[in-house]
Amino acid sequence: GDSVTQMEGPVTLSEEAFLTINCTYTATGYPSLFWYVQYPGEGLQLLLKATKADDKGSNKGFEATYRKETTSFHLEKGSVQVSDSAVYFCALNSARQLTFGSGTQLTVLP
Amino acid sequence: EADIYQTPRYLVIGTGKKITLECSQTMGHDKMYWYQQDPGMELHLIHYSYGVNSTEKGDLSSESTVSRIRTEHFPLTLESARPSHTSQYLCASSGAAGGITDTQYFGPGTRLTVL
Repeated sequence: GDSVTQMEGPVTLSEEAFLTINCTYTATGYPSLFWYVQYPGEGLQLLLKATKADDKGSNKGFEATYRKETTSFHLEKGSVQVSDSAVYFCALNSARQLTFGSGTQLTVLP
Repeated sequence: EADIYQTPRYLVIGTGKKITLECSQTMGHDKMYWYQQDPGMELHLIHYSYGVNSTEKGDLSSESTVSRIRTEHFPLTLESARPSHTSQYLCASSGAAGGITDTQYFGPGTRLTVL
């Protein structure tokens, strides 16, 4: 079946550091790929998405490119802020359901 | 900004009580979902619905039940709560008819504690 493998956390960075959270997937067909973010005490919010190979999703300084050849969708941000501290989930959508990765806790220190 | 609501946000109850977690969305979405989120953060799909009078069990077995009598409303019920039901419950909805590019929108969650 479909699956998503995410970089294990927790990840701790200093403010203004570069962020990469790795995500790889296994799926039949051509899924859409998503990054969701969960701030403390809240539900998940869509951060960005890509619907086909080579698409780049971007939002709030975060980017991820749909790489079909490496089955990856790594999340990057050039300069993180304290307010980016949250849990990040990679997900794919196929067969009308979302399959989530296990989540990566990010803490950004001032 | 997605309009999906969950009540209550926090609930502490005793073992054996019957509870209903409410979820409503005002976006007219046909598909709705319930996830259980364990303390390790992982999300598990426990129920979903593709429309009125349609409900299915998800990947994780759950003792809860759901109903979908109205498009906007998707309540989850536990007939007899137990400490093992302590968790965060997240409701979501999506709207694209039949496509695989659906974006799911999440409510704020209900944190349930059963003593």
